[in-house]
Amino acid sequence: DAGVIQSPRHEVTEMGQEVTLRCKPISGHNSLFWYRQTMMRGLELLIYFNNNVPIDDSGMPEDRFSAKMPNASFSTLKIQPSEPRDSAVYFCASSPGEGRGGYTFGSGTRLTVV
Amino acid sequence: RKEVEQDPGPFNVPEGATVAFNCTYSNSASQSFFWYRQDCRKEPKLLMSVYSSGNEDGRFTAQLNRASQYISLLIRDSKLSDSATYLCVAHTGGFKTIFGAGTRLFVKA
Repeated sequence: DAGVIQSPRHEVTEMGQEVTLRCKPISGHNSLFWYRQTMMRGLELLIYFNNNVPIDDSGMPEDRFSAKMPNASFSTLKIQPSEPRDSAVYFCASSPGEGRGGYTFGSGTRLTVV
Repeated sequence: RKEVEQDPGPFNVPEGATVAFNCTYSNSASQSFFWYRQDCRKEPKLLMSVYSSGNEDGRFTAQLNRASQYISLLIRDSKLSDSATYLCVAHTGGFKTIFGAGTRLFVKA
């Protein structure tokens, strides 16, 4: 099993640019979660999907953030326009069902907006 | 008050020591509990689930006290490789999973 795959591993972009982060969940996992981690705020849940449907996006900080899951094997998190305060590590995680058995995280995308 | 609270540490212990972390949760409806380990600049990885009866995995023992709403993790015979941040997690039905801010552990030779 290849685990949860995220790309890119690192992204450096200029303020105002569009950023797209990608995630491939573990095959057979029907729940997908996007998290953001910073030193100040720790791990924050941004949005999660179940069976490709967004269930709760209340953690998305602003309208500049959007996420999609067009099929069971792919999800994107987009920031447009990006700002320096968006700099963080963005993790994608997947689980079977609601996550009662825990999540598997991808290795994350380290985003730096300058 | 945070839903899951941990002492941020850091805990600095010598190799071979026993160290314990506690974590409290505020939502009595929480159903499942976990400890994750996160190494520097890496993703969180599931270390173990936590059950009321307590569970042990090698040098690691986890315990849940529902009456007091706290979770503990005990590490015996600490190794240098145990140095990491340990995240306490509570799952409260549906898809709601709350991560604590983590406790940093440094094991020194």
